[in-house]
Amino acid sequence: GAVVSQHPSRVICKSGTSVKIECRSLDFQATTMFWYRQFPKKSLMLMATSNEGSKATYEQGVEKDKFLINHASLTLSTLTVTSAHPEDSSFYICSAIRSGANTGELFFGEGSRLTVL
Amino acid sequence: KNQVEQSPQSLIILEGKNCTLQCNYTVSPFSNLRWYKQDTGRGPVSLTIMTFSENTKSNGRYTATLDADTKQSSLHITASQLSDSASYICVVSAGGGSQGNLIFGKGTKLSVKP
Repeated sequence: GAVVSQHPSRVICKSGTSVKIECRSLDFQATTMFWYRQFPKKSLMLMATSNEGSKATYEQGVEKDKFLINHASLTLSTLTVTSAHPEDSSFYICSAIRSGANTGELFFGEGSRLTVL
Repeated sequence: KNQVEQSPQSLIILEGKNCTLQCNYTVSPFSNLRWYKQDTGRGPVSLTIMTFSENTKSNGRYTATLDADTKQSSLHITASQLSDSASYICVVSAGGGSQGNLIFGKGTKLSVKP
């Protein structure tokens, strides 16, 4: 089946540094990818929609300069958390829609746990 | 306003028992409804996807139903196993095609005890 890979799965960084998380669709092309944030025991919160070759669409309240998204190819989207703060510590998950599927089957990555010290 | 509500919020059952999770939605226009299983610290994994015309879809011990008239869906788990302990998320797609807006429920946390 289709696989979406995220890297790294865990990352610890110091306040003020930037962290990049990669999301790759391994065996299909994805014109659209989504980035989510999930706090403990809470549901997924959509942060932004990443479209290949164009600017990402951010949800209300999500700072685009804080969370930089780049969807440079049909198989790769990256999320960069800039000038990280401890409150950015969270579980970040990406998902990808397989292009061409009638129902737009959605596949999730394994998630990346960010801890900012 | 498009909304997806799941119940119960959490559920504890004994291993081997059956259970049913509920998902009610007010999403228009409706495209499809998905059930995902999310283990703690992992990404969600798809269980079923149902379009408007589908009433029932099974995936092993998981059976999802959809009533488009009442805008309700259920996920029935048969003969539960310890590995079924997870959060189950209902996601409804609004609008047409693969670019449709996805509305997430808050999930039901299922704990299966020995």
